[in-house]
Amino acid sequence: AQKITQTQPGMFVQEKEAVTLDCTYDTSDQSYGLFWYKQPSSGEMIFLIYQGSYDEQNATEGRYSLNFQKARKSANLVISASQLGDSAMYFCAMRVPSGAGSYQLTFGKGTKLSVIP
Amino acid sequence: DAGVTQSPTHLIKTRGQHVTLRCSPISGHKSVSWYQQVLGQGPQFIFQYYEKEERGRGNFPDRFSARQFPNYSSELNVNALLLGDSALYLCASSLFRENTEAFFGQGTRLTVV
Repeated sequence: AQKITQTQPGMFVQEKEAVTLDCTYDTSDQSYGLFWYKQPSSGEMIFLIYQGSYDEQNATEGRYSLNFQKARKSANLVISASQLGDSAMYFCAMRVPSGAGSYQLTFGKGTKLSVIP
Repeated sequence: DAGVTQSPTHLIKTRGQHVTLRCSPISGHKSVSWYQQVLGQGPQFIFQYYEKEERGRGNFPDRFSARQFPNYSSELNVNALLLGDSALYLCASSLFRENTEAFFGQGTRLTVV
């Protein structure tokens, strides 16, 4: 069964420092996609970064990078130079088949990141 | 360009009532998915619609139903509301069926009393 595990319920980071949020996944599919979303207290899920299972290079988007280790089935998010506005819940998700040729996102339980001034 | 819009933003209903939630996808996006997020958990998949047809369904009872209109907007309907249906309901739109890049709305926060 497809599953996403985020083992850090909460993390603290000093402003301007880098932080790594952990994510491990389980799937028997050869083709899959991994996502990270940010959810502020307002509730909206904000797309951060995507990594395809066949992508050879780690994905990067500005201050966000995804440390993809396929053999370990891990897809950790690295945020560089943390800012106060980075304080939010962060969710790791995997795209899995949902039937009829379509796909759904399976999410982990999330990590609450708090950036300290 | 407008993002994914959902209405209403907040809603309070009584047990046993029916509720309809609405979602307008990003212009040009043909796929709409619905997710339920209870407090302290990650979102759980309810439905995906693509080109006005149901393409996927999560593990939710038949009290939950949805549809997609010719303009690709979507409605989620929940009948016979239970206290456990209290949650944030999120709509996501994507260009294709594969959800390679799904964009979410701000959600509808439903409280059942």
